[in-house]
Amino acid sequence: DTGVSQDPRHKITKRGQNVTFRCDPISEHNRLYWYRQTLGQGPEFLTYFQNEAQLEKSRLLSDRFSAERPKGSFSTLEIQRTEQGDSAMYLCASRSGGRAEQYFGPGTRLTVT
Amino acid sequence: QKEVEQDPGPLSVPEGAIVSLNCTYSNSAFQYFMWYRQYSRKGPELLMYTYSSGNKEDGRFTAQVDKSSKYISLFIRDSQPSDSATYLCAMVQGGSEKLVFGKGTKLTVNP
Repeated sequence: DTGVSQDPRHKITKRGQNVTFRCDPISEHNRLYWYRQTLGQGPEFLTYFQNEAQLEKSRLLSDRFSAERPKGSFSTLEIQRTEQGDSAMYLCASRSGGRAEQYFGPGTRLTVT
Repeated sequence: QKEVEQDPGPLSVPEGAIVSLNCTYSNSAFQYFMWYRQYSRKGPELLMYTYSSGNKEDGRFTAQVDKSSKYISLFIRDSQPSDSATYLCAMVQGGSEKLVFGKGTKLTVNP
């Protein structure tokens, strides 16, 4: 069990550019989650996948955000036309069916300049 | 009113002290309760998980849930400098996938 991994760990981009993050969940975890965390706050839910199906999206996930999990394994989160307000830590988590605990990855820290 | 309230601290204690961390919540449908530890610039690490009301102990950590008061606690015994981190409470409704977090409490344990 290697844990949840995320790539890159840190991304600096200019306003208006597109960025894509990757998450590899714990193997055999069929549920995958994306959260966003800003300084001094707890993580906030963005979206959730069960296998390859995206089953829930938060209102925080504007039209500039899109997430995929094409084969029910890794997931990507893309932000188009980044804004300074998108600067945050983007966290991925996974869990297995029948358990409520979610296990988090190390996060991708996004800085938009 | 936020669904989950947690005093952000900061909390500073001497090594060996008993630490008490707390959260209150407003949604009576929450059924699963978790505590995460987060070191600076790292992802949250799951410490404790409890279902419904009651106590759970794991080593130096004890989690308590009082659903009648909508109040959860984490106790750390014999605190160590390595316990210095931000502690996040999180909870989820049965049938929901969305964890709802408190803001986190920043703890410093001084040697």
